[in-house]
Amino acid sequence: EPEVTQTPSHQVTQMGQEVILRCVPISNHLYFYWYRQILGQKVEFLVSFYNNEISEKSEIFDDQFSVERPDGSNFTLKIRSTKLEDSAMYFCASIARRGARTEAFFGQGTRLTVV
Amino acid sequence: SQQGEEDPQALSIQEGENATMNCSYKTSINNLQWYRQNSGRGLVHLILIRSNEREKHSGRLRVTLDTSKKSSSLLITASRAADTASYFCATESGGATNKLIFGTGTLLAVQP
Repeated sequence: EPEVTQTPSHQVTQMGQEVILRCVPISNHLYFYWYRQILGQKVEFLVSFYNNEISEKSEIFDDQFSVERPDGSNFTLKIRSTKLEDSAMYFCASIARRGARTEAFFGQGTRLTVV
Repeated sequence: SQQGEEDPQALSIQEGENATMNCSYKTSINNLQWYRQNSGRGLVHLILIRSNEREKHSGRLRVTLDTSKKSSSLLITASRAADTASYFCATESGGATNKLIFGTGTLLAVQP
């Protein structure tokens, strides 16, 4: 069964450092998303990406965040200068197409710890 | 309440019993989905119910949707210890992106 893969599974970084979280979505999917989940809290939408551009972003997704799909397969989330409060699980998701029957496929997540 | 709030927050039952989790939401939706999350792991899609459907079954799962009350329930019948996980509802409201808005989750513990 096709799956979304994320690397690394766990990243520890110093406050103020840049991190790049990587995702390989399912190959024929068209819509890509990043979500985050602070420990013990709800899953929060960060950004959606379609046709090589951001289609929607939440208020969490400020200037410190950026996304790219540099080579048509990998989908990355970059945090320029990490803060302690960026510590969370970050999930990548993809769906095949828009519509009422679409389900999202999630990766296993990257646990980001900012120290 | 926020879009997608589940109750109870935590539920502990014995193996073999049924588990019912509820979800309420605020805005109109295209569909509502339920996901499962094992501790520290990713989200696994369980079932999707469209806004014009009232009930859906998949194996031991039964989902209902009441759009007039903006609520949904997930029933797991004959629960097993392996069903222990967090369960989240997520609503998709259309727009340009099909983004999902997740609820707060129910932590289900099934005691063997």
